[in-house]
Amino acid sequence: NAGVMQNPRHLVRRRGQEARLRCSPMKGHSHVYWYRQLPEEGLKFMVYLQKENIIDESGMPKERFSAEFPKEGPSILRIQQVVRGDSAAYFCASSPGGAGYEQYFGPGTRLTVT
Amino acid sequence: DQQVKQNSPSLSVQEGRISILNCDYTNSMFDYFLWYKKYPAEGPTFLISISSIKDKNEDGRFTVFLNKSAKHLSLHIVPSQPGDSAVYFCAASAWMQGAQKLVFGQGTRLTINP
Repeated sequence: NAGVMQNPRHLVRRRGQEARLRCSPMKGHSHVYWYRQLPEEGLKFMVYLQKENIIDESGMPKERFSAEFPKEGPSILRIQQVVRGDSAAYFCASSPGGAGYEQYFGPGTRLTVT
Repeated sequence: DQQVKQNSPSLSVQEGRISILNCDYTNSMFDYFLWYKKYPAEGPTFLISISSIKDKNEDGRFTVFLNKSAKHLSLHIVPSQPGDSAVYFCAASAWMQGAQKLVFGQGTRLTINP
């Protein structure tokens, strides 16, 4: 039973380019969460999605950031026109759903903006 | 507004002794608490959890204690082993705005000395 998969593991982008981060949840999980971790900080919630629906995007910056979880395929976190402050580790987690369910994390994508 | 706080950024413990990691929270709506362990360049790994209706949960060398009146939880690891060296995140879960949310503390870096 494969765990949560994220790719790429490392991504380097120049300022102004677009970054696309992919997440495939664990088999049987229909809930996906994206978190961002800045250096020396904890994980900050960004967005919560179920298949084809954004449930809660209260942690996501209003501009340049978007997320989707299509019926088929992985969840995508998209950052347009990246800036240096977007450099961070981005983690995806999945759960089968419901209150109290543990979230299982992927290995993360480390984004570096030069 | 830091709803979940881990006030000790780091902790150093001798191998074989007990490690105690602490976590405080402010929001009474949290009803489920989790501990995650994170190695460098990896995603957080779920370790142990506790429901707010309990005050203790034990799993092998790991025990989590919850004191609801003090809004405090702790993770005990005994005996501590070198492989326990990692960053430990406390997380609290609640239904907010129709979705389950996990709020993470800043993490405590545990070092087990041989």
